[in-house]
Amino acid sequence: NAGVTQTPKFQVLKTGQSMTLQCAQDMNHEYMSWYRQDPGMGLRLIHYSVGAGITDQGEVPNGYNVSRSTTEDFPLRLLSAAPSQTSVYFCASREIQGWGETQYFGPGTRLLVL
Amino acid sequence: GNSVTQMEGPVTLSEEAFLTINCTYTATGYPSLFWYVQYPGEGLQLLLKATKADDKGSNKGFEATYRKETTSFHLEKGSVQVSDSAVYFCALYMDSNYQLIWGAGTKLIIKP
Repeated sequence: NAGVTQTPKFQVLKTGQSMTLQCAQDMNHEYMSWYRQDPGMGLRLIHYSVGAGITDQGEVPNGYNVSRSTTEDFPLRLLSAAPSQTSVYFCASREIQGWGETQYFGPGTRLLVL
Repeated sequence: GNSVTQMEGPVTLSEEAFLTINCTYTATGYPSLFWYVQYPGEGLQLLLKATKADDKGSNKGFEATYRKETTSFHLEKGSVQVSDSAVYFCALYMDSNYQLIWGAGTKLIIKP
């Protein structure tokens, strides 16, 4: 299994540009999520999905859209990039069991918005 | 609401020193508790977990015990190595809403 893959690894955008961060997993997990990681703030949940066709907002959803047309893919779209969106973005899929759960993270995408 | 508090970093130690990274939580109910580790330039990966009170999670020489009476899940290691340098995240999971609640992370620096 490749686990959770993310592309691109690095991206530089100008303010106002749009782009899509790709995320895919091959573990057949229903639950996927997107986080952003900023210094001193840990991980903050942007959006999540509990299955194909179902998405919901997390803690910091503004400026981001998601869709989940398949179990495998969960892209994150920045509609009009802003410097405040400079961050490291992590996609994760989750295996839920009776006692709890384990998250599997992608390697991250480093985004710089100028 | 539910929350996780970790000690602020960075924590700087010499090789072979004893490590403790404190983590306390607030939760209604009985969460599962986790430690995740993020090595430089990588994503997070599960280090250890405990699902009920008095459980001890362990992995790679690290241990943490789920203490319900003190609402804590402190991470310990008897003798750290340079390769343990990373950011460590404490998290709790409530199956009532399927959400993970994250601490802010503690950066650990081990000097040779």
